[in-house]
Amino acid sequence: DVKVTQSSRYLVKRTGEKVFLECVQDMDHENMFWYRQDPGLGLRLIYFSYDVKMKEKGDIPEGYSVSREKKERFSLILESASTNQTSMYLCASSIAGERDNEQFFGPGTRLTVL
Amino acid sequence: RKEVEQDPGPFNVPEGATVAFNCTYSNSASQSFFWYRQDCRKEPKLLMSVYSSGNEDGRFTAQLNRASQYISLLIRDSKLSDSATYLCVVGGGFQKLVFGTGTRLLVSP
Repeated sequence: DVKVTQSSRYLVKRTGEKVFLECVQDMDHENMFWYRQDPGLGLRLIYFSYDVKMKEKGDIPEGYSVSREKKERFSLILESASTNQTSMYLCASSIAGERDNEQFFGPGTRLTVL
Repeated sequence: RKEVEQDPGPFNVPEGATVAFNCTYSNSASQSFFWYRQDCRKEPKLLMSVYSSGNEDGRFTAQLNRASQYISLLIRDSKLSDSATYLCVVGGGFQKLVFGTGTRLLVSP
């Protein structure tokens, strides 16, 4: 059974703190993605990665960075958290291929920045 | 214009009803199409892929109309457990997916 796990289900941080969100997949997928989901806006892509050490900006990368040191792990970093980064963060992975393949999601991290 | 547009709903239907959702997409080059289901406070999960010839999975039927750039999902004999948000998803190229904001379905007894 495919599995994507995220380090925390709920997280509360203060403005200005550095925040790390971890995602691990056990499916040997090449592609990994970070989204945020907000009411009325749907899922928006923050960053994605096709392979170890590779990263690409998504639609809303400002205020975020990522790290992919191992194939199974993709980290999202908020360098200095702000209240407008309060959101649900979802990690996903997919197998590489010629088509845009199904993505498997983790359970999400609900981040509140005070 | 949004890349993928859906009616947010909610669609309120009684058990046993048939309900249909549509969505439109803007990128005529898209090659992959999906419907995902998202339960309240849960992650999205694949419901079904959508093929050019249309496809059926039990009570669920998905259709693709490339000429008009819309995708549909038909649910027959609705169950209480079908209550969820249904996300229309289109391939965005370069292994990415573009998600609609979802259509909420509420099935009542």
